[in-house]
Amino acid sequence: DAKTTQPTSMDCAEGRAANLPCNHSTISGNEYVYWYRQIHSQGPQYIIHGLKNNETNEMASLIITEDRKSSTLILPHATLRDTAVYYCIVRGSGEKKSSGDKLTFGTGTRLAVRP
Amino acid sequence: EPEVTQTPSHQVTQMGQEVILRCVPISNHLYFYWYRQILGQKVEFLVSFYNNEISEKSEIFDDQFSVERPDGSNFTLKIRSTKLEDSAMYFCASSPTAMGSPLHFGNGTRLTVT
Repeated sequence: DAKTTQPTSMDCAEGRAANLPCNHSTISGNEYVYWYRQIHSQGPQYIIHGLKNNETNEMASLIITEDRKSSTLILPHATLRDTAVYYCIVRGSGEKKSSGDKLTFGTGTRLAVRP
Repeated sequence: EPEVTQTPSHQVTQMGQEVILRCVPISNHLYFYWYRQILGQKVEFLVSFYNNEISEKSEIFDDQFSVERPDGSNFTLKIRSTKLEDSAMYFCASSPTAMGSPLHFGNGTRLTVT
């Protein structure tokens, strides 16, 4: 699976948009970009994923560049409860057993939402 | 919304003892996983399981570890002879398919080996 690079930490003001960047310059054509977050020591929580197109759900938006080498997770109106570690993960399609269907977590971005 | 449930939430055991961590994946999911997170470290993949067999395992998942789906609902992780370094949060996850669908995680079991 391709490696990702994220800033170690970020902060944003409550009510403002939080934009979390991720670089994945070695991503291959059949690999998805997934975003998860982990609040304190809870289990990782799925946020959103995409392949090529931008995606939006009730939690967030995912913007993937045309060359797919980077992406941005957008939390449109951050709240204090969004304070967490956010993980950007590139994951194989699972077509080949050797490529695996697991998620490989890095160190993520620690987002602090301030009042 | 359906969720992955894990029991117990906290398990304390003595070194050398066997422990079984239990998970109930989401009911229509077919792929199952165990991860662990040592305090202050990354979430690490242990094993994936599909069609009643291990599909992939990491270097961490040595002969001391085993997984089982004893019935249609539970998915267990057994550690035969626990070591101090097995102390960690253990997370179970499941997904409906391997391709393009997310893993859903439980809230973990905190294992403390004394």
